[in-house]
Amino acid sequence: QSALTQPASVSGSPGQSITISCTGTSSDVGSYNLVSWYQQHPGKAPKLMIYEGSKRPSGVSNRFSGSKSGNTASLTISGLQAEDEADYYCCSYAGSSTPVVFGGGTKLTVL
Amino acid sequence: QLQLQESGPGLVKPSETLSLTCTVSGGSISSSSYYWGWIRQPPGKGLEWIGSIYYSGSTYYNPSLKSRVTISVDTSKNQFSLKLSSVTAADTAVYYCARHPVASGMTTVDYWGQGTLVTVSS
Repeated sequence: QSALTQPASVSGSPGQSITISCTGTSSDVGSYNLVSWYQQHPGKAPKLMIYEGSKRPSGVSNRFSGSKSGNTASLTISGLQAEDEADYYCCSYAGSSTPVVFGGGTKLTVL
Repeated sequence: QLQLQESGPGLVKPSETLSLTCTVSGGSISSSSYYWGWIRQPPGKGLEWIGSIYYSGSTYYNPSLKSRVTISVDTSKNQFSLKLSSVTAADTAVYYCARHPVASGMTTVDYWGQGTLVTVSS
């Protein structure tokens, strides 16, 4: 069982917006602004999409955005494109004894 | 361009020790700006952080694996390594090596290796 809870799947049509949630606790997501999001296509290494909650690495489309409310972090993808179909993982700092915890992953299907 | 490349046996017997090395090219592992880590992914499942190391040798491990994991660094070879002891079938996974910027913490991985599948089987 993952430390962070994500929906198993989400879907949307091209052009729409979707949001993937990542629910933790007051010991991880709720206490630190150190949530990152990764995109993973089949057979590939994950790719960093969002770090420190809402920052986008160079080269990542501004269609991707991150936010947090309480113990839940969210990844929003606007203007869905076929290439966005992938698995998405959230990751949070959970204190010095457990610096990294991942969510179970969410499969995004673009209809 | 920074590249990370995992190497090591693709098949390990149960109860033995899994050993992998990550070779870093295009950048120095001795940089004070980065941690270096290992993350794994069992077939069809999610990501699991194994642990990370700083060039000075300071290590940080997943508590669930800590008793079986050793991560070390060889700055002369620009490599870092993973040893996981007493493996079982549950340790079968794609193992990735990774770079974490110190400024963002170990939750941020800005470079990944391509991953290597390690199967635990007799």
